[in-house]
Amino acid sequence: GQNIDQPTEMTATEGAIVQINCTYQTSGFNGLFWYQQHAGEAPTFLSYNVLDGLEEKGRFSSFLSRSKGYSYLLLKELQMKDSASYLCAVRRDAGKSTFGDGTTLTVKP
Amino acid sequence: DTGVSQNPRHKITKRGQNVTFRCDPISEHNRLYWYRQTLGQGPEFLTYFQNEAQLEKSRLLSDRFSAERPKGSFSTLEIQRTEQGDSAMYLCASSPARADGQTQYFGPGTRLLVL
Repeated sequence: GQNIDQPTEMTATEGAIVQINCTYQTSGFNGLFWYQQHAGEAPTFLSYNVLDGLEEKGRFSSFLSRSKGYSYLLLKELQMKDSASYLCAVRRDAGKSTFGDGTTLTVKP
Repeated sequence: DTGVSQNPRHKITKRGQNVTFRCDPISEHNRLYWYRQTLGQGPEFLTYFQNEAQLEKSRLLSDRFSAERPKGSFSTLEIQRTEQGDSAMYLCASSPARADGQTQYFGPGTRLLVL
C-alpha cells in the first residue's frame, strides 16, 4: 500500500519563505508531484521530482530524497494568493497516483 | 480553452437516483483518470484508462460505479442507486502516454450532492 503524510495546516507571513514537508511509504515509486488547490477548485500542477535533488521553478522549488521517502515544497516571497491547499502525490506506475490529504497554507499580511 | 472539461459542474440528486458525469480530456492525451475528493482530503483514485481500455480500477469503486471511454476520447462515470456517502467532488484528469508524460492535468470537477 501507500501512505503519505503532510502537515494539516501551516501559517506564514507575506514575503516570507515556507517549507511544506511530505513523507511517504510506498510499494512502488515512479515520481512525486506537488499540486496547488484553491478552495472549490481543481488541483493545478506545481512540480514533479523523479530523481533525488532540487527542482526550481520560479518562486517554487521541490526537493526529493528517495532513500528517505521525503520531499518538500519550498515557497519563496509568499503572496496572499499563495493561500491554498498543497497536495503531495506519489505515482506508483503509469496509472494510479496516491495523494496526501493536503496542507492548508494561510498567508497573513 | 484546450484544458480538461467536465460536465455538469454541479449535480444535486435524491438518494437512489442514477447520475452520469462526462469528462473531455486534453485532445492529444491518451490517459484519463477519475478521482473522488471529499472535504479536507486529497483526491482518491477511482479508475484509469489508456485509450479505450480501462487498465485499473480501485477497490473504492463499488458495483454501483461504472466508467467508460468508448472511443478513447471522452469518458463517462455513472453512479447507480446513489447514496448520501457518494456526495463528493468527482475529478477527471488526463496525461499524455509518453515517457515524460507523467503530469496529470485536472478538470474543474463535478460536485455531487446526494440528498
